[in-house]
This record gives sequence, structure tokens and C-alpha cells, in this order.
Amino acid sequence: AQSVTQPDIHITVSEGASLELRCNYSYGATPYLFWYVQSPGQGLQLLLKYFSGDTLVQGIKGFEAEFKRSQSSFNLRKPSVHWSDAAEYFCAVGSSSNTGKLIFGQGTTLQVKP
Amino acid sequence: DSGVTQTPKHLITATGQRVTLRCSPRSGDLSVYWYQQSLDQGLQFLIQYYNGEERAKGNILERFSAQQFPDLHSELNLSSLELGDSALYFCASGVSGRGSYNEQFFGPGTRLTVL
Repeated sequence: AQSVTQPDIHITVSEGASLELRCNYSYGATPYLFWYVQSPGQGLQLLLKYFSGDTLVQGIKGFEAEFKRSQSSFNLRKPSVHWSDAAEYFCAVGSSSNTGKLIFGQGTTLQVKP
Repeated sequence: DSGVTQTPKHLITATGQRVTLRCSPRSGDLSVYWYQQSLDQGLQFLIQYYNGEERAKGNILERFSAQQFPDLHSELNLSSLELGDSALYFCASGVSGRGSYNEQFFGPGTRLTVL
């Protein structure tokens, strides 16, 4: 069965510091992978996605993620965090069928210290 | 703004009641997905409709049902509500043609509180 694990429930970083949020997936074939961000009281906004090709993908708001098949990982990174990045981040994997449903990790809450 | 609209934004009701959540997908999107976000279960896929027909079912209770209308808007009906049904319900839409995959765009959600 497909699954997504985000090992870190809560992360705190200082403003201006670099950020890496971890995501591990379990999937039988080449996965479709996504990172979404949810600000308090808001819906989910897509940060970036990986379908195929270049394993380093660029997203919005200065985020990037790297797909590593050997490690079953799709970690999200940002070189310098801004206070406005404080939010909850979700990694998701696409279904193997043609339905397109998403399976989400439990989420990582990011707190940014001034 | 994703282009997906959901109404109402908040809903407070009592146990045993029935409610209807409404979703309008982005213009041109044929698929509508419903997800439930709760503290204990996280974000879980409930059901998908594509162009009026049910395409996939997830962890949706028998007390819950959904449909997609000819104008492509969708409704999620929750009945015999229990305290544990309190959650944020998201609708997402995508082009999602058969055999292909497209990203999903999420609405702002409907927060349901069952008292």
C-alpha cells in the first residue's frame, strides 16, 4: 500500500536559516510526488510537484525538492527561511491508478523564530 | 485563490443532524475530490467524481455520500452526524483525464463542528 511519512511533526528554525523538511514514501512504481503548504485557516497551496525527469524540482516561494529513488525520499528545502513561511507542510504521493487521489503525510509544522 | 470555491465556510450543528457541503471546481476541471482533515486522522481522501460519475472511493463512511451535478459542482452529504465527524472538509479539483494525472487545486475548506 502507498504511504507517506513525514518524520518531523514540528520544526523550529531561525529566520534566514536554511530549511529541510523530510518526506519518505512507500510506492511500487515511479510515484507522483507533491508538497503542499497550509497556512492557518487556509486551504492547501501546491508548492511543487515531481512527475518525471530532473530529480531536482523548483517550486514557488523559493522552495525546491529533490527526488531520491534509492532513499524513497522527496525532501523539501529552502536556503533562507522568511517569517511568512511559518505554516504546515504536507508531502503527498499520487495513486497508481488513474484516479489521481492523493495520499498525504501527517504534516510538519514549521515555526520561524525572529 | 485556487479557483475552487466551497460553501459554507463554517458549519455548526448537532449530533444526529444532516448537512450538505458544496464545492464548485475550477473552470474546465472535470474531477472533484473530497478530503477530510482531522487532528487524529490527518488528511484523508474520501471520494472522487469525474464528469458526473464516481471514480474512486477512499475512507468514506456509509453515512456520507456525494454527487457531482451536470454543471460539475459537487455536494458532500453527511448524515447522522457524530462528534467525531467534526473536521475540516476540503474539496479539490483537477482536469484528470482518464489515463493521465494532473495536479489538484484545493478550496479553502468547510469547517464542520458537531456539538
